[in-house]
Amino acid sequence: QVTLKESGPVLVKPTETLTLTCTVSGFSLSNARMGVSWIRQPPGKALEWLAHIFSNDEKSYSTSLKSRLTISKDTSKSQVVLTMTNMDPVDTATYYCARIESGSWGIVFDYWGQGTLVTVSS
Amino acid sequence: DIQMTQSPSSLSASVGDRVTITCRASQSISSYLNWYQQKPGKAPKLLIYAASSLQSGVPSRFSGSGSGTDFTLTISSLQPEDFATYYCQQSYSTPGTFGQGTRLEIK
Repeated sequence: QVTLKESGPVLVKPTETLTLTCTVSGFSLSNARMGVSWIRQPPGKALEWLAHIFSNDEKSYSTSLKSRLTISKDTSKSQVVLTMTNMDPVDTATYYCARIESGSWGIVFDYWGQGTLVTVSS
Repeated sequence: DIQMTQSPSSLSASVGDRVTITCRASQSISSYLNWYQQKPGKAPKLLIYAASSLQSGVPSRFSGSGSGTDFTLTISSLQPEDFATYYCQQSYSTPGTFGQGTRLEIK
C-alpha cells in the first residue's frame, strides 16, 4: 500500500525558511522511474507544481520559484525534503507531496499525501 | 511553460446528467494529458492518464478523449460522489502544469 505523508510547521513568519518532509511507504525512492513531487495549492486556488526529484537524483524546479527551492531525498529514511527560503504571505497554501511514476506518459502523479497547510504570518 | 486552460470554470448539473469538461493546451502535447478529481479538504486523485486511460479503481462512467491541444473529460451519468473540482495536467514537458480547475456543483 503506497502512502505519502507531509510534515512540517503549520506557521512560519515572513522571511523565514520553510522545511517540509514527505515520508513515503509502499515503494522505494531507489526504484527506477520513481520520483516525488511537491505541489502546492493556495486556499481556493489551483494546483501549482513546485519541484520533483527522481531515484537517480535528477531534480527539477518551478521556473518562477527556482531561486528559493531546494529538494533532496534520503533513501534510507524514505524521505523527500523541500526547503523554501524567504517565505511570504502569498506562499500560504496546502503543500502536497505526490508520487511520480515516470513511464511512457511522462510525469503522472498517481499517489498523493493528505497535504499540510502552511500559513505565513507574523 | 505550457499553459492549460479549462472550461467551464464552474458547472451546475444534476444527478444522472452527462457532463463534459474541456481542457486546452497552449501547444500540442500529443496524448500527455491527465485528469484529477479533488473533493473539498482532500488531496487530488488521479482519474485518467494518457488522455483516455482509466486509472485502476476509477468507475467506468469517467472517460477521457482528445489529443494534440484539445481534450475532454466526460462523466456519463453523474453520481452524488462526483461533485468535486476537476483538474487537467499536462505531462508532455516539465513543469507538468495544471489547468485552473472546473468546479462541478449540484444543481
